[in-house]
Amino acid sequence: AQTVTQSQPEMSVQEAETVTLSCTYDTSENNYYLFWYKQPPSRQMILVIRQEAYKQQNATENRFSVNFQKAAKSFSLKISDSQLGDTAMYFCAFMKRGFGGSEKLVFGKGTKLTVNP
Amino acid sequence: GAVVSQHPSRVICKSGTSVKIECRSLDFQATTMFWYRQFPKQSLMLMATSNEGSKATYEQGVEKDKFLINHASLTLSTLTVTSAHPEDSSFYICSAPGPGLAGAEQFFGPGTRLTVL
Repeated sequence: AQTVTQSQPEMSVQEAETVTLSCTYDTSENNYYLFWYKQPPSRQMILVIRQEAYKQQNATENRFSVNFQKAAKSFSLKISDSQLGDTAMYFCAFMKRGFGGSEKLVFGKGTKLTVNP
Repeated sequence: GAVVSQHPSRVICKSGTSVKIECRSLDFQATTMFWYRQFPKQSLMLMATSNEGSKATYEQGVEKDKFLINHASLTLSTLTVTSAHPEDSSFYICSAPGPGLAGAEQFFGPGTRLTVL
């Protein structure tokens, strides 16, 4: 079974600064996806960034980037130029690569990020 | 992007009654949908995988007679909480894998807050 560990229950950062959220995972699979989801106070889950395990290049989406270390099973999220709207719960998630869309997500416990003005 | 809706967004019911929550994929078809439960300040816990035209697959520890799932069409899955009790009060979220090449991404509904008095 796969497990996802987020060791930082809460973090805070000053507006415009950079913050890194940690995530490690455990799996015996070789083909999989990793995700960071954001859940703001509205509780709508929003995909922040996705990484395909077979790709060595780290994924980036504007101010968001990841440091994917496959051998170490580490998948951290870096948020640059933090904005007040980044305040949310952030969940790291793992999904086996399969067919037909029937693979389930395995979530970490989440990190509550607060961006201070 | 693909959109998933849930109805109702909030429901309050008396103990002992049954409550039905709908999850719809608005602009794509989903043969599989997932149902999660989320307690305050906690992560999403997968309850079951809903399969169109066949029985749902429940996670260990989830009572299938308590949480009835019906995936009646390619765009609709329903979760019925039967004989609800106060401990069933929670936030329920559904998701569906995106269409085509987006199948690796789960699209989430906005959630349903259930309060059982």
